[in-house]
Amino acid sequence: KNEVEQSPQNLTAQEGEFITINCSYSVGISALHWLQQHPGGGIVSLFMLSSGKKKHGRLIATINIQEKHSSLHITASHPRDSAVYICAVRQGGSEKLVFGKGTKLTVNP
Amino acid sequence: DTGVSQDPRHKITKRGQNVTFRCDPISEHNRLYWYRQTLGQGPEFLTYFQNEAQLEKSRLLSDRFSAERPKGSFSTLEIQRTEQGDSAMYLCAPGPEAPGANVLTFGAGSRLTVL
Repeated sequence: KNEVEQSPQNLTAQEGEFITINCSYSVGISALHWLQQHPGGGIVSLFMLSSGKKKHGRLIATINIQEKHSSLHITASHPRDSAVYICAVRQGGSEKLVFGKGTKLTVNP
Repeated sequence: DTGVSQDPRHKITKRGQNVTFRCDPISEHNRLYWYRQTLGQGPEFLTYFQNEAQLEKSRLLSDRFSAERPKGSFSTLEIQRTEQGDSAMYLCAPGPEAPGANVLTFGAGSRLTVL
C-alpha cells in the first residue's frame, strides 16, 4: 500500500462543476503539499498545509490531521484547470517528500 | 519561468550508454533535490544536497547513479550503463530553504528514453 493514496485516479467534469480530489496518507507528516502538473510541463506548487484550510482564487485545500486526509476543491471548474493534481507529504523529521500518483482532471467545455 | 534550468530536456540513448543531466537554479538555494517520475506515477525522491553535501539518498539510487553538487549551486545526475527501466522524467527541485517553506519549485525536467 502506498504511503500516499489519491482518489479518484481520473476525473472528468463539465465546465462549471465543483471538483473534489482526495488524498489520504499513512505516515506522520510535518506538511502536505498540493501540486499541479500540466502535460509536458513542469510542476507548480498550489498549497502547503499543516492544518486547517487555505484558499487561493477558485482553489480550496483542507487538511484533517487526525484523520490523515486532505482534499483539494476547485469551484466553477474551467477547461484550463485540466491537469494532473498531485498530493505530496513531508514526513516528520525527514527531508523526503512522498508523492501520490496524481489525479488526472479533465474539464470539458 | 520555473527559476530552474534543466538540461537536456530530452535525451534518447541506447541501453548501456552513460547519460548526465544538469540542473541550474537561477538563484542561490542551500538545498537541492532530485526526483524521478515515471509515466502515470507521482515523482519519487532520489537524493538531496545541502550545499555541496549529499545528505540523503533513496534506495532507488543504485550504484549506477551518481549525483554531485560541486560548488553548491548547479548539480549533475549521472546514470551509468543505462537500462530500459531508467526511462523516466528526472526532476530537479531547488529549496525549500526550510522544511516548512510554503512553495516548492521544480524544474521542467529531463526526460530520458532508453532504447
